[in-house]
Amino acid sequence: QVQLVQSGAEVKKPGASVKVSCKASGYTFTGYYMHWVRQAPGQGLEWMGWINPNSGGTNYAQKFQGRVTMTRDTSISTAYMELSRLRSDDTAVYYCARNDITALGYYGMDVWGQGTTVTVSS
Amino acid sequence: EIVLTQSPGTLSLSPGERATLSCRASQSVSSSYLAWYQQKPGQAPRLLIYGASSRATGIPDRFSGSGSGTDFTLTISRLEPEDFAVYYCQQYGSSPRAFGQGTKVEIK
Repeated sequence: QVQLVQSGAEVKKPGASVKVSCKASGYTFTGYYMHWVRQAPGQGLEWMGWINPNSGGTNYAQKFQGRVTMTRDTSISTAYMELSRLRSDDTAVYYCARNDITALGYYGMDVWGQGTTVTVSS
Repeated sequence: EIVLTQSPGTLSLSPGERATLSCRASQSVSSSYLAWYQQKPGQAPRLLIYGASSRATGIPDRFSGSGSGTDFTLTISRLEPEDFAVYYCQQYGSSPRAFGQGTKVEIK
């Protein structure tokens, strides 16, 4: 079945970096954008950006420009999101979600990972 | 940058009642690239509606979406116990693909 499985919870100190992985299965990895969305405790959803696994092209929300890097390894159908210079307000659950490429994303983010909790604390 | 404003913040209703959720955009949403997601505590969001009015796979027909331009609505015709959750709209026609702040549908 189609699924996205994310890496486990992380605890980091302020100023450090974190790299979260998202392994896809059950579908053609290069046929779907991979988006990253985060949710701080008790807050709403915040879109961070996407990567095109086929080309490696990326589109980041301006808020995260310079701190976020999205990459992929097509040989193992895995996308990665690395966030650097972590602050306490980066504490959140980070989700990956796929979105079709062929229809220019029209069908929305239809499959989501289970989420990865990142805690930033000294 | 498009900003989405959802209303009301909280909707208190009983099972069997009709729920009407609003999502208003600060600018016109390109080609009705507007989606609705449902999120329950401790779970990832689930896609309900894409393209403003098309139900995602497996979504019951009590969920319907409508609207265009800057005004969109999610309607749940008869609330089931499992429908009490937080609902988010998202525009994905331009970057950044912003979400609204959410509407919580709670049991009255």
